[in-house]
Amino acid sequence: SQTIHQWPATLVQPVGSPLSLECTVEGTSNPNLYWYRQAAGRGLQLLFYSVGIGQISSEVPQNLSASRPQDRQFILSSKKLLLSDSGFYLCAWSSGPFYEQYFGPGTRLTVT
Amino acid sequence: GENVEQHPSTLSVQEGDSAVIKCTYSDSASNYFPWYKQELGKRPQLIIDIRSNVGEKKDQRIAVTLNKTAKHFSLHITETQPEDSAVYFCAARYRGGSYIPTFGRGTSLIVHP
Repeated sequence: SQTIHQWPATLVQPVGSPLSLECTVEGTSNPNLYWYRQAAGRGLQLLFYSVGIGQISSEVPQNLSASRPQDRQFILSSKKLLLSDSGFYLCAWSSGPFYEQYFGPGTRLTVT
Repeated sequence: GENVEQHPSTLSVQEGDSAVIKCTYSDSASNYFPWYKQELGKRPQLIIDIRSNVGEKKDQRIAVTLNKTAKHFSLHITETQPEDSAVYFCAARYRGGSYIPTFGRGTSLIVHP
């Protein structure tokens, strides 16, 4: 069966510091991968999605970037964090564009 | 692109009552409608979904109905229990573009024992 991992689970970072969040999927190949952000008490905001290695589409221009160095690895980065970057970051995967999305356990980021 | 409206934003019911959450979508080309349940501090979990060739789908106490003509779909929970308390998100995915689901803003369901 498929499993999705995210780490770290919790992160507290000062404003202006860099960020790297990692997501990996097991048990499938060539998944579609997604990064979402959820502010406290709010809905899901799609940040990036990828249909293959090196293929990244951005939904919201901001100080975040994403990379997919391997088939089942998706990384979310920032060079300088802002206070507004605080939130719950969720990685998700699907077998393809016509299939269900499944979410990872999430990373709770607090920027201080 | 797609636009999804979800109502109500908060729903409070007594244990044993039914709960209904409604969503409308804008793009008639949408063909897939999942529902997610998110407990506090946890990830959203897919609980039920429906595709555009079906009008209703049931799974124990949960059902989803779809009205393609009116472009709305609803989640029905019967015999609610305190463990049903969570935020519920609807989504719609359309055939065009990137096939990325568009999510509603969520409904906070509170079931009082």
